[in-house]
Amino acid sequence: GQQVMQIPQYQHVQEGEDFTTYCNSSTTLSNIQWYKQRPGGHPVFLIQLVKSGEVKKQKRLTFQFGEAKKNSSLHITATQTTDVGTYFCAGPRSGTYKYIFGTGTRLKVLA
Amino acid sequence: EAGVVQSPRYKIIEKKQPVAFWCNPISGHNTLYWYLQNLGQGPELLIRYENEEAVDDSQLPKDRFSAERLKGVDSTLKIQPAELGDSAVYLCASSSALSNIQYFGAGTRLSVL
Repeated sequence: GQQVMQIPQYQHVQEGEDFTTYCNSSTTLSNIQWYKQRPGGHPVFLIQLVKSGEVKKQKRLTFQFGEAKKNSSLHITATQTTDVGTYFCAGPRSGTYKYIFGTGTRLKVLA
Repeated sequence: EAGVVQSPRYKIIEKKQPVAFWCNPISGHNTLYWYLQNLGQGPELLIRYENEEAVDDSQLPKDRFSAERLKGVDSTLKIQPAELGDSAVYLCASSSALSNIQYFGAGTRLSVL
């Protein structure tokens, strides 16, 4: 079945360093969503990408959707301690509204 | 506007006991989701409702899990009987007809002893 994988699984960075997580789907996606889950919290929607090659920015966060619509990335510039958490990508199963969540990347920021 | 409300936040039960979780979605959201999240993993869909109709329950273990959304608003997820492997966080989410953005509740953390 459809799989959504993320790498790396864990990332520890010093505050101020950049961070990138990559999301790869086994099938083409009509869109991709990104969520952030703080430790002990629940997933919170960050953004949705729809178009091939789309790039969106939210302050220090940059999201990209691959040309083939099978991969995506989230890049954080100059990380802060508030960026700590697990970042999930999620894409819909082909022809459905059932979102498959990725394995997540857990970010730890060292002050 | 209130977000998705779930209760209880925590539940500890012994194996073979029944347990129920309740979810109140954001007002006006017609789509409701129940997810299971194991430690260190992403949410996995159990069931999705469009109003009161369950449109995707393929991942719901129907031998012990059941769910209902009688009036197309609140929903209840039940496990009977619970097994040790059911220990996880059960998340409820909702979305509107105009968007597929999912808004999650705080979840219910279930521990089966």
